[in-house]
Amino acid sequence: DQQVKQNSPSLSVQEGRISILNCDYTNSMFDYFLWYKKYPAEGPTFLISISSIKDKNEDGRFTVFLNKSAKHLSLHIVPSQPGDSAVYFCAAALSFNTDKLIFGTGTRLQVFP
Amino acid sequence: DAGITQSPRYKITETGRQVTLMCHQTWSHSYMFWYRQDLGHGLRLIYYSAAADITDKGEVPDGYVVSRSKTENFPLTLESATRSQTSVYFCASRSSGGAGGELFFGEGSRLTVL
Repeated sequence: DQQVKQNSPSLSVQEGRISILNCDYTNSMFDYFLWYKKYPAEGPTFLISISSIKDKNEDGRFTVFLNKSAKHLSLHIVPSQPGDSAVYFCAAALSFNTDKLIFGTGTRLQVFP
Repeated sequence: DAGITQSPRYKITETGRQVTLMCHQTWSHSYMFWYRQDLGHGLRLIYYSAAADITDKGEVPDGYVVSRSKTENFPLTLESATRSQTSVYFCASRSSGGAGGELFFGEGSRLTVL
C-alpha cells in the first residue's frame, strides 16, 4: 500500500508560470512532511518541509501548503525556471522525531522556455 | 573529498549471485539509510542504522543484509540476487535522528539482475 501518493507522474509548465505539485497521504498520523528534488544521475536533495502545526511554509520561490483534513499537500514554485526541471518527491514522517521517511512516487516537472 | 559516495555506480549481475553495494560518508553522521527507487514506487526504505552496530528494517528489507561496523560505512548486501531487485539504490546519511534533519543522498548505484 502506497501511503504517500503523487498522482501526477509528470507536469509540464512554461517558464515564469506557477508549478503546482500535489501529494496525498493516507495515514492521518503523519505529522511532518518534506519535499525532495532529484536531478538525473544524482541523489535527491532536500527542498522544503512543513510541520502539521502549520498550513504553509515558504522559502523563496517555493511554498508548501498542507491541508490536514484533506490529507493533502502541495508544492508551489513561482516563478518556474528551467533549472527547476527535475523529479520531485514528497515524503512524510510520523513525527519530527521519527527516523523513517515514507516517500511518494515522484512527479517529473519539466519547465520549458 | 567530503560527502557521501556509493560504489559501484553501475553493476550487472546474474540471478543467484551475491552483490554488495558500498556506501561511505565522511561527515561522521550517526544515521545512514538505504533506499531503492523504482518506477511507480518512488523511494522505499530498505534498512537504516542509527549508529555503528545498530541497524533496523525499513519498508522492504527482504532479500537484503546490512552491517555497520564503522560509523562511516554502511554496505548493503544482496545475498542471492533476484530480478525483482533490479533497481537504483541510494544511500543517505543524516547527522541526527528525527525527520527534521536533512538527509544527504549519494549519487545512486544502478543494479541490473539478469
